[in-house]
Amino acid sequence: DGGITQSPKYLFRKEGQNVTLSCEQNLNHDAMYWYRQDPGQGLRLIYYSQIVNDFQKGDIAEGYSVSREKKESFPLTVTSAQKNPTAFYLCASTPTDRNTEAFFGQGTRLTVV
Amino acid sequence: DAKTTQPNSMESNEEEPVHLPCNHSTISGTDYIHWYRQLPSQGPEYVIHGLTSNVNNRMASLAIAEDRKSSTLILHRATLRDAAVYYCIGNFNKFYFGSGTKLNVKP
Repeated sequence: DGGITQSPKYLFRKEGQNVTLSCEQNLNHDAMYWYRQDPGQGLRLIYYSQIVNDFQKGDIAEGYSVSREKKESFPLTVTSAQKNPTAFYLCASTPTDRNTEAFFGQGTRLTVV
Repeated sequence: DAKTTQPNSMESNEEEPVHLPCNHSTISGTDYIHWYRQLPSQGPEYVIHGLTSNVNNRMASLAIAEDRKSSTLILHRATLRDAAVYYCIGNFNKFYFGSGTKLNVKP
């Protein structure tokens, strides 16, 4: 079955360490997105990529980095420069055809201690 | 950028219809209006989408204003399982989410 997979589901890291969240899709979607969600809040766009080897900053890109070397994969690195990294992170993918639904992963809950 | 505006929360009684509004006054002519909903600690799930005409599926109906500056998601008979945060999206390029509407369904 096609889908989008985020791993791990829960992640704990010490303050000051970089950490990479995985997002993989086998839907052949061109575009992929990363969002951050804080408790009781909506989704805020971190980065997005509409094609391989290209990506754009969203509203809250500071302290994060991404790569898009393969169509299927869009990993997100939370760097030590991100001042408050504890949050729920969601990945999504969409096809180029706007008349089609987007798919979301089940999220990674990152806790920095 | 076509960002959206939704009420923060709404309440409904079980088995009654619910109308969830969304304003997207800057939407481009080619952008579809998408609706998703999210349960706690889960990723959003697709509900419905449309361009100009009203749309129906097994989950809901979508009524789109003639000028496309607003739309309404209609749940015909709300159930307790419909309690979630509902998001409308009007910018497919960046796939912006607003803060959404938290729907509370009372038994």
